[in-house]
Amino acid sequence: GENVEQHPSTLSVQEGDSAVIKCTYSDSASNYFPWYKQELGKGPQLIIDIRSNVGEKKDQRIAVTLNKTAKHFSLHITETQPEDSAVYFCAASIDYGGSQGNLIFGKGTKLSVKP
Amino acid sequence: DGGITQSPKYLFRKEGQNVTLSCEQNLNHDAMYWYRQDPGQGLRLIYYSQIVNDFQKGDIAEGYSVSREKKESFPLTVTSAQKNPTAFYLCASSPTGTALNYGYTFGSGTRLTVV
Repeated sequence: GENVEQHPSTLSVQEGDSAVIKCTYSDSASNYFPWYKQELGKGPQLIIDIRSNVGEKKDQRIAVTLNKTAKHFSLHITETQPEDSAVYFCAASIDYGGSQGNLIFGKGTKLSVKP
Repeated sequence: DGGITQSPKYLFRKEGQNVTLSCEQNLNHDAMYWYRQDPGQGLRLIYYSQIVNDFQKGDIAEGYSVSREKKESFPLTVTSAQKNPTAFYLCASSPTGTALNYGYTFGSGTRLTVV
């Protein structure tokens, strides 16, 4: 089955710097890759997603890139702010031809932005 | 507002007791999921349901039970057979089939503590 590896497990950056979180997946049939942000004591919230027919997607300060050949995708946060501090999860799911499989999650990255 | 509601937010259980966690959604989503979250472990799938009156075991189903009698509701029972139930429990829902957006919507979680 699908396996998603996420690195690093913790990341500390200075306010204003960029942060990059990387994920790799094992099954080449995966075609949907969302990213979630989880603040302390809350449930994860979808922040951006990308499909396998797209190489990059941006939404203000966040962007996601996908390399299908290498089977990895990355989250990029520019001009980081203290409110970006949270745990970030990547995920992947497989298209079984008309029905989408369950999301397989990475183990998360705890991002700390120092003011 | 459409969303997914988990209750209670905090729950305390004595050893040997069964407890039931509530999850309700008004998003008209077909699929619902239960995850367990422990520090450093990411999100682990307990049970999921793609349709009313049907559900499947996830990776860590032992000691848990669910029901799906209504589309809106997917309660999770933590039984006395679950030896280490202290954790943060997350419920999620998603559209299925040929939906364009496969992203999960998560509830705010229930923190269960054995006393």
